[in-house]
Amino acid sequence: IAGITQAPTSQILAAGRRMTLRCTQDMRHNAMYWYRQDLGLGLRLIHYSNTAGTTGKGEVPDGYSVSRANTDDFPLTLASAVPSQTSVYFCASSDGQGATDTQYFGPGTRLTVL
Amino acid sequence: GQNIDQPTEMTATEGAIVQINCTYQTSGFNGLFWYQQHAGEAPTFLSYNVLDGLEEKGRFSSFLSRSKGYSYLLLKELQMKDSASYLCAVISNDYKLSFGAGTTVTVRA
Repeated sequence: IAGITQAPTSQILAAGRRMTLRCTQDMRHNAMYWYRQDLGLGLRLIHYSNTAGTTGKGEVPDGYSVSRANTDDFPLTLASAVPSQTSVYFCASSDGQGATDTQYFGPGTRLTVL
Repeated sequence: GQNIDQPTEMTATEGAIVQINCTYQTSGFNGLFWYQQHAGEAPTFLSYNVLDGLEEKGRFSSFLSRSKGYSYLLLKELQMKDSASYLCAVISNDYKLSFGAGTTVTVRA
């Protein structure tokens, strides 16, 4: 069982370019999340999806978009990358059963925007 | 908004005990999580508290006081492999996790 996979592992991107970070889970979890992690700021929620076909905005959604066409995949797109989007991006998933819902994280994508 | 505070760094000796404190002020409260994150890796689940009191799980214990907005993670019999960042996270009324910045624990021989 792979759990959650993310691709690419790392990427260097020129500012203004479009980039899609991929996330796939095989646990049949209803909910999926995208976070960014920056030094001194901790993990911050970008977008989330409670179930396939629905998405919502997190704490820092500007400059990012997501889609949830099926249960397994939750891609994150940067339409026109900027240097402030340099970060480590983590995808997570959970059963989506409410307060006791434990989130499981993917290995992360390290993105550098120049 | 959410405000979750924890110390930035702690250092301890192998075999010792370390207590990582976390205080929070959030819009609603549905539980508190602790995650462990080794450098360059994903966060992994350690514990969940929703009721006041101590939850023990092997060498790790987590405590919660809802009235004080306070939790701690206790690591006993420290091992070198315990060197990592420890993330405190609160789940609020909208069932979204808000994370503290993390505490980096360094275990020295």
